[in-house]
Amino acid sequence: TQLLEQSPQFLSIQEGENLTVYCNSSSVFSSLQWYRQEPGEGPVLLVTVVTGGEVKKLKRLTFQFGDARKDSSLHITAAQPGDTGLYLCAGERGSQGNLIFGKGTKLSVKP
Amino acid sequence: GAGVSQSPRYKVAKRGQDVALRCDPISGHVSLFWYQQALGQGPEFLTYFQNEAQLDKSGLPSDRFFAERPEGSVSTLKIQRTQKEDSAVYLCASSPGVAGYTDTQYFGPGTRLTVL
Repeated sequence: TQLLEQSPQFLSIQEGENLTVYCNSSSVFSSLQWYRQEPGEGPVLLVTVVTGGEVKKLKRLTFQFGDARKDSSLHITAAQPGDTGLYLCAGERGSQGNLIFGKGTKLSVKP
Repeated sequence: GAGVSQSPRYKVAKRGQDVALRCDPISGHVSLFWYQQALGQGPEFLTYFQNEAQLDKSGLPSDRFFAERPEGSVSTLKIQRTQKEDSAVYLCASSPGVAGYTDTQYFGPGTRLTVL
């Protein structure tokens, strides 16, 4: 059973379009993290959200943590080909930093 | 470079062989994690070290998997009698302090293991 469900699994869009990726769970997490992973590389942390209702912005990326701390979203404005990659959400389980990852959303932005 | 490095980057093993995967964390990082990432999936936690102590090995799938970090720096993940279902990318991550949500995990590029 996947604790964190991401949708959509695949997304192919044109440069300049907006998109939203969702990360949902029936469990409460103390924090949620978003990573981007490129082929042949490890995931790279984009942001950590901790407080229910929190919104964080990173240039064209906006991250939101649900009020109940069970879900999160990532919105990209005016996507660029350089945004192409696998976007993973991860929740912290326990007190030692063990991360539970979703399956990821594979984003392709075409010029 | 100052990042996490892993070797080998690619490993092909025949079913039944033993393999050893190495992780060099960022110098001085206290915490070290191993994850397994199957094709089309997100990473799954295997085990966690704080310095040389293995504090959590709840994610290791079977007793064929063994990890160590004897001097609190380099870590080795060993898989004995490899099976086809062990084929995956094995990721190592380190973080500066005692693990917790405030501590960023820095991932290595992974070792892609293929078991024939």
